Amino acid sequence: DARVTQTPRHKVTEMGQEVTMRCQPILGHNTVFWYRQTMMQGLELLAYFRNRAPLDDSGMPKDRFSAEMPDATLATLKIQPSEPRDSAVYFCASGIDRGRTEAFFGQGTRLTVV
Amino acid sequence: QKEVEQDPGPLSVPEGAIVSLNCTYSNSAFQYFMWYRQYSRKGPELLMYTYSSGNKEDGRFTAQVDKSSKYISLFIRDSQPSDSATYLCAMIHGGSEKLVFGKGTKLTVNP
Repeated sequence: DARVTQTPRHKVTEMGQEVTMRCQPILGHNTVFWYRQTMMQGLELLAYFRNRAPLDDSGMPKDRFSAEMPDATLATLKIQPSEPRDSAVYFCASGIDRGRTEAFFGQGTRLTVV
Repeated sequence: QKEVEQDPGPLSVPEGAIVSLNCTYSNSAFQYFMWYRQYSRKGPELLMYTYSSGNKEDGRFTAQVDKSSKYISLFIRDSQPSDSATYLCAMIHGGSEKLVFGKGTKLTVNP
């Protein structure tokens, strides 16, 4: 059963702490996306990678957020330091670039910063 | 003005009703159009995908694209309680992988 796996599913942390979210894309998919979902803004693209190379991270606050793909089976999103306004559900999605990419989403990481 | 506008609802219908969900967009560069379904506390899942203007049917679901009006629709026939979810439209510029989403419409189908 091919699916995108995200860990942790839930995270509660104190303001100022570092948060790391992990994503295992579907095997064979070469495009990985990070999205953030809030009630106010809906789904917002933070960053995406193709063949592990970052293509666009313009949606990400650069001073505190960073996204990497150490290898083809792992993508990470870090927030340091975290703030209460970062509370949201963070989704990872993967796909195959065929000129246009259908994104398959993970279950998300629900982050609460207190 | 946001690139993609979608009425958040909520929309509540009786079982068996025909449901119409809609999005408008402002950027004529969008070429690919998708509908995602998101159950509570789950990730979005791709429901339908269209490229050109016109209709595409899959079972009880029909996706419609009108590029001249920059308007897309999803119709659900014979709606079921299991269709209760949030429906998100999404679009991609030609040659890009950047999916731009609407905010989603929450649908409840009552037995």
